[in-house]
Amino acid sequence: GIQVEQSPPDLILQEGANSTLRCNFSDSVNNLQWFHQNPWGQLINLFYIPSGTKQNGRLSATTVATERYSLLYISSSQTTDSGVYFCAVWGGNTPLVFGKGTRLSVIA
Amino acid sequence: NAGVMQNPRHLVRRRGQEARLRCSPVKGHSHVYWYRQLPEEGLKFMVYLQKENIIDESGMPKERFSAEFPKEGPSILRIQQVVRGDSAAYFCASSSFRGKLFFGSGTQLSVL
Repeated sequence: GIQVEQSPPDLILQEGANSTLRCNFSDSVNNLQWFHQNPWGQLINLFYIPSGTKQNGRLSATTVATERYSLLYISSSQTTDSGVYFCAVWGGNTPLVFGKGTRLSVIA
Repeated sequence: NAGVMQNPRHLVRRRGQEARLRCSPVKGHSHVYWYRQLPEEGLKFMVYLQKENIIDESGMPKERFSAEFPKEGPSILRIQQVVRGDSAAYFCASSSFRGKLFFGSGTQLSVL
């Protein structure tokens, strides 16, 4: 099945810093989504982005499907950005396969 | 405009009992997915259902686990004769066809 690798696994930022999270996938996909799991366990869908670039406030995402990767940018990070960021892809008939996530800690 | 509703939020069972987890999708969504998450790990796909049909159950253990999404009512994930290894957070999500997934708050199952 399709493999999803996320990097870095862990990231510590000072409040106000910027960061880039990466998601590599092993096969062509027709659906890619980014999620944030907050410290209370709630999963929030950040982006549905099979290709191209989208922005939502301080967050933006870019997917280059032909090169099999996606990037999530967080600018001016805040403590509320802490949690785990997951990339999930849907290739062929297999429902969304999740990567292992990037655990982000933003320190005031 | 209710999101995905899961209940119960916490479920405690003794070994050998049955666990039933419920999931009501976003209004208008006919696709439901169940995932399992162990502490400090990612989400593992279990089963994908559409109304009255199981589309993909490749991630679900062959024994003791079953899922349904009837024409009326919530989706149900059923675990029979629970064992300690079944302790985990179980998340349900819903979407339109291959659309954006919306997750519920999860059910934390603890097996004593």
